[in-house]
Amino acid sequence: DIQMTQSPSSLSASVGDRVTITCRASQSITSYLHWYRHEPGKAPNLLIHTASNLQSGVPSRFSGGGSGTDFTLTISTLQPEDSATYYCQQTYSTPWTFGQGTRVEIK
Amino acid sequence: QVQLQESGPGLVKPSETLSLTCTVSGGSISNYYWGWVRQPPGKALECVGYIYYSGSANYNPSLKSRVTISVDTSTNQFSLKLNSVTAADAAVYFCARVAYGGWYFDLWGRGTLVTVSS
Repeated sequence: DIQMTQSPSSLSASVGDRVTITCRASQSITSYLHWYRHEPGKAPNLLIHTASNLQSGVPSRFSGGGSGTDFTLTISTLQPEDSATYYCQQTYSTPWTFGQGTRVEIK
Repeated sequence: QVQLQESGPGLVKPSETLSLTCTVSGGSISNYYWGWVRQPPGKALECVGYIYYSGSANYNPSLKSRVTISVDTSTNQFSLKLNSVTAADAAVYFCARVAYGGWYFDLWGRGTLVTVSS
């Protein structure tokens, strides 16, 4: 199985800050990397697909980058509603696997 | 818009079978892949498997001997069965849709908590 490692596991930042979360794959996954946001009790939602493609309806402050083994999710200007846990997922090979999550807290 | 809703028992006894159903509303189950993802307490998300509306399924090898995903186009539902459950199978179970033309989940249900206890 491809292991996905996210860092940091949690962070605390202020409204307006630029936040970057990284995701590293244990082998190359080309661009088959996707990012999700999840709040407890709610449905997870897709933010970025295929490394850098913003999902329809997702605010433009979210962006994704990278290829191969190293990827990033950036929130350009953190908003109060961005408090959530963020997950990366690879679908390069089965079984599809997720990172352990990054919890984002607003100071 | 299309919505997904998980349903099924919230409590399953050890060694018994966990059965969950996902109802797709506001759209057709046809022409998509549909999947199940679970999250044990305090742990990462884990993809259980996914199925095409025509019935072809792919399972996580760690669960393959115990899991069956099926689809019923007449009721716009797909289902998960996991047999011989243990405490390690306790989790929030999410159903999700695989994006048309892409290998990622573009729509999720809110999840349902399944506890394993006698």
